[in-house]
Amino acid sequence: AQKVTQAQTEISVVEKEDVTLDCVYETRDTTYYLFWYKQPPSGELVFLIRRNSFDEQNEISGRYSWNFQKSTSSFNFTITASQVVDSAVYFCALSEEDGGFKTIFGAGTRLFVKA
Amino acid sequence: DTAVSQTPKYLVTQMGNDKSIKCEQNLGHDTMYWYKQDSKKFLKIMFSYNNKELIINETVPNRFSPKSPDKAHLNLHINSLELGDSAVYFCASSLDSTYEQYFGPGTRLTVT
Repeated sequence: AQKVTQAQTEISVVEKEDVTLDCVYETRDTTYYLFWYKQPPSGELVFLIRRNSFDEQNEISGRYSWNFQKSTSSFNFTITASQVVDSAVYFCALSEEDGGFKTIFGAGTRLFVKA
Repeated sequence: DTAVSQTPKYLVTQMGNDKSIKCEQNLGHDTMYWYKQDSKKFLKIMFSYNNKELIINETVPNRFSPKSPDKAHLNLHINSLELGDSAVYFCASSLDSTYEQYFGPGTRLTVT
């Protein structure tokens, strides 16, 4: 059965600090997809990244970077030089073949970035 | 040219009433979804349709009935509303079920 754990419920940082949001997943499948989504205070859900289980390359997009490690079943998200606009709830999600690619979301990590 | 739209944005109603939420996507996607987000921000899938066909039906009370008249629309009808149905309901779509999802703005349902 698939499961996504985001152990950090809330994180508070000061602007310009780097912050890493943890995501640990469980799956018995070899084919699966991982995602991160952002939900700012305005409430909409915004897609950030998709990663398939066969591609362990890390990814960088501006101040955002993702570290995918199959050995530890983790897909962590780092924000470099955080800004107030990064304040949001961030969700990690998993979609596995065995579940008909049903997407399971983690509980989310609320990030506060203070000026 | 909104990608995924939902109406209404807010819905306040009394227990026992029946209500519908509409969703439309103009992205040409094959798969559409309904999610419920509770007050603790926990997101749970309710239904998923692929090309108008129901493919995921989670353990949702049968008071909730989705309908997909075509692959660009997925509506949610709720009968006999209960206090516990109060939540934000999100519609989403994706190219297929392995791809990222694009979400509508959400419908905040309040049952009094």
